[in-house]
Amino acid sequence: EVQLVESGGGLAQPGGSLRLSCSASGSSFDRNAMCWVRQAPGQGLEWVAGVTGSGDGVYYADSVNGRFTIARDNSKNTLYLQMNSLRAEDTAFYYCATTPYYDILTGYLKWGQGTLVIVSS
Amino acid sequence: DIQMTQSPASLSASVGDRVTITCQASQDIINYVSWYRQKPGKAPKLLIYHASSLERGVPSRFSGSGSGTDFTFTISSLQPEDIATYYCQQYHNLPLTFGGGTKVEIE
Repeated sequence: EVQLVESGGGLAQPGGSLRLSCSASGSSFDRNAMCWVRQAPGQGLEWVAGVTGSGDGVYYADSVNGRFTIARDNSKNTLYLQMNSLRAEDTAFYYCATTPYYDILTGYLKWGQGTLVIVSS
Repeated sequence: DIQMTQSPASLSASVGDRVTITCQASQDIINYVSWYRQKPGKAPKLLIYHASSLERGVPSRFSGSGSGTDFTFTISSLQPEDIATYYCQQYHNLPLTFGGGTKVEIE
């Protein structure tokens, strides 16, 4: 089973950028679509973006479309989330997760441990 | 977007009690529902998928049922380690959406 470890979180200024990484160990990283889900402190879960196993298909939540970019490097077993034009409301724990399918972005999720992003001046 | 209405928002029960949480979808999602447990300070963990399939390694006291728009999650005998917040999720359409969560406490 794939183990997921996120990194890259931290403090960013409003309007600034951060890049999150999610490193996967174990086999079959490139067989599964993946996504990012976030959770503001004390709040519920919000799906952010997803990418197919090949990396060719991507989809974004309206709240981040045009500001965030999801990508994967299957040769490095790593998923990325480039976050630009950050806003205070982007403050959250960010989790990467796998789905059980290759080319379908919908699915139930298995999660990493999360990384915290704080957007504040 | 598909809305998932989860209830109750919180509940308190005794060890050994049967606990039931419901989730209602804003449209027919067949059986594309999963349930997660999130302990304080931890990531969510998959418990149930396809509305009623138990994830490997998850205790059998957890179960799910339902189809269409109405879904139920049950803990047959509440244990102290079940203190957590539970979420439903639909994966019929993008964007994936979650219920608001149910915080379960021990009386």
